[in-house]
Amino acid sequence: QVQLQQSGAELVKPGSSVKMSCKASGYTFTSYYIYWIKQRPGQGLEWIGRIGPGSGDTNYNEKFKGKATFTVDKSSSTAYMQLSSLTPEDTAVYYCARGGYPGPNRGDWFAYWGQGTLVTVSS
Amino acid sequence: EIVLTQSPTTIAASPGEKVTITCRASSSVSYMYWYQQKSGASPKLWIYDTSKLASGVPNRFSGSGSGTSYSLTINTMETEDAATYYCQQWSSTPLTFGSGTKLEIK
Repeated sequence: QVQLQQSGAELVKPGSSVKMSCKASGYTFTSYYIYWIKQRPGQGLEWIGRIGPGSGDTNYNEKFKGKATFTVDKSSSTAYMQLSSLTPEDTAVYYCARGGYPGPNRGDWFAYWGQGTLVTVSS
Repeated sequence: EIVLTQSPTTIAASPGEKVTITCRASSSVSYMYWYQQKSGASPKLWIYDTSKLASGVPNRFSGSGSGTSYSLTINTMETEDAATYYCQQWSSTPLTFGSGTKLEIK
């Protein structure tokens, strides 16, 4: 069965960076995009961007360019997101999600979700 | 950016009642997707390609729509359906979500 296992909660200081992971299992990692989505406490969902694990191709929401950086390690089927120059507005749960259909140009929607990583930015 | 406007924001329904949640897009989209999120949990895919039920979703749920108007309908509300539902589009980047509809049990 498809699983996305995310790393644990982080408490970080303003101005610092954090890197979180999303380990995939139960499918061919390189065949589906991985997406990252932000949810602030009590708020809605916001798309950060996506990465194609096979190609390394990335697409970012303009709002998160310079804030988020995606990478993958194909050998461990793990996707990573680094967030930099953190502020209290970055306090949120961050989800990774897998696309619905394999390959590009098949639509960007989220068939499977990780459990989320809570990032708290506080001094 | 395509803005998705969900209505109502909150709704309370009694068991057995029919419920409809609407998602209106600021520009035409090809498909709509719906996610269910319960408190403290990750969202789950609920409806994809406008009208296809995700695996395990009860058939009292249905999705429909086209262009700028889409809806999620529960034929007969059950207590387990209480959750927040989000719509989402990918026709235009950035991908966007509606602000959510909180469905409560009356």
